[in-house]
Amino acid sequence: EAQVTQNPRYLITVTGKKLTVTCSQNMNHEYMSWYRQDPGLGLRQIYYSMNVEVTDKGDVPEGYKVSRKEKRNFPLILESPSPNQTSLYFCASSLQRGNEQFFGPGTRLTVL
Amino acid sequence: AQKITQTQPGMFVQEKEAVTLDCTYDTSDQSYGLFWYKQPSSGEMIFLIYQGSYDEQNATEGRYSLNFQKARKSANLVISASQLGDSAMYFCAMREGPGANNLFFGTGTRLTVIP
Repeated sequence: EAQVTQNPRYLITVTGKKLTVTCSQNMNHEYMSWYRQDPGLGLRQIYYSMNVEVTDKGDVPEGYKVSRKEKRNFPLILESPSPNQTSLYFCASSLQRGNEQFFGPGTRLTVL
Repeated sequence: AQKITQTQPGMFVQEKEAVTLDCTYDTSDQSYGLFWYKQPSSGEMIFLIYQGSYDEQNATEGRYSLNFQKARKSANLVISASQLGDSAMYFCAMREGPGANNLFFGTGTRLTVIP
């Protein structure tokens, strides 16, 4: 089944404790993105990647890192999480630039 | 300025009736794409329909159609014959430029279908 998977789905952590949210897609998509969703703000892009080893900042990249060492994986790294990073995070992928994006199931992160 | 504006925080519709969810956009690009996504209470984002800026006909996908009015910069979603399972948040989104990967999302409209 073609899908985007994220792990973990739920995470509660404390300020300053490094964490990684994994994202994997099995559709051989070139483009992958991370978004965060906050009430009243819709979804905002954090980082995106156009291919292996090619990443760039989105609209709200502060406090996040990403890597794209393999085509299928695009982990999101929070080196020192803070409470304002409490949010619902979505990974998405698309076959080509501009095509519809397929979203993962979301990761709900709470930073205490 | 907001790139995507959804002015209806919440909408109600009677089961089996049609409903229109509003979306206006702001861009100076000639080439862009407009998307609608559905987010049920379970949280996942489900792609519904896409309209390219150069598409002359309104997009349709089953019970979903996109009322694209380029001059007014609007891209309203029409759901016909509403079903209880249509109750969800609906997001309008835009891709600016022919190859952009970023989607700009609106703040969403929560649709409730009444039996």
